Amino acid sequence: QQQVKQSPQSLIVQKGGISIINCAYENTAFDYFPWYQQFPGKGPALLIAIRPDVSEKKEGRFTISFNKSAKQFSLHIMDSQPGDSATYFCAANFGNEKLTFGTGTRLTIIP
Amino acid sequence: DGGITQSPKYLFRKEGQNVTLSCEQNLNHDAMYWYRQDPGQGLRLIYYSQIVNDFQKGDIAEGYSVSREKKESFPLTVTSAQKNPTAFYLCASSIVGRSNYGYTFGSGTRLTVV
Repeated sequence: QQQVKQSPQSLIVQKGGISIINCAYENTAFDYFPWYQQFPGKGPALLIAIRPDVSEKKEGRFTISFNKSAKQFSLHIMDSQPGDSATYFCAANFGNEKLTFGTGTRLTIIP
Repeated sequence: DGGITQSPKYLFRKEGQNVTLSCEQNLNHDAMYWYRQDPGQGLRLIYYSQIVNDFQKGDIAEGYSVSREKKESFPLTVTSAQKNPTAFYLCASSIVGRSNYGYTFGSGTRLTVV
């Protein structure tokens, strides 16, 4: 199975709060898990990525948590800011296979 | 600066017309991809190419055609057979043979049928 299931579809978080987006996969061959951020009218941009040999990766306010046994990974945005309002896509692949994308989460940060 | 250039940014198509969307990259990436994005929707793969003069259909190839005559270029033609072409089209590229490198996306072309 090549699916990557992403939830929630949309998310509203207060400024300063923690935004959490979850993804689950079925293909145990996947070994690369990136997250993309897309602003309206723009192309997605790579935000942060993780490999399954680590359980967590942090870059600034963005953290990926990875649970290999549960086949799940999540994006945490700490101290969420209005500028973080965007659509976020998780993805996965292995080797030379093309990326399989989740369906996206529209994040809105409110004052 | 290296990157992917998509043109035009906005494109209007009349019923029954074919239109071609341009995608050029100077990243020396082997693979290129075309995605379609509908409002509030995810990314759906139209076509992809991992090497010059070769390409494969994605999940929604019907009504579209591509060519890959040069490594740097991967134009997408939206034909009159595509009955609902209004969407945001994204081109991406990546390295082949070096796994786990991710994609670089262009800024997109918004196509509207008038």
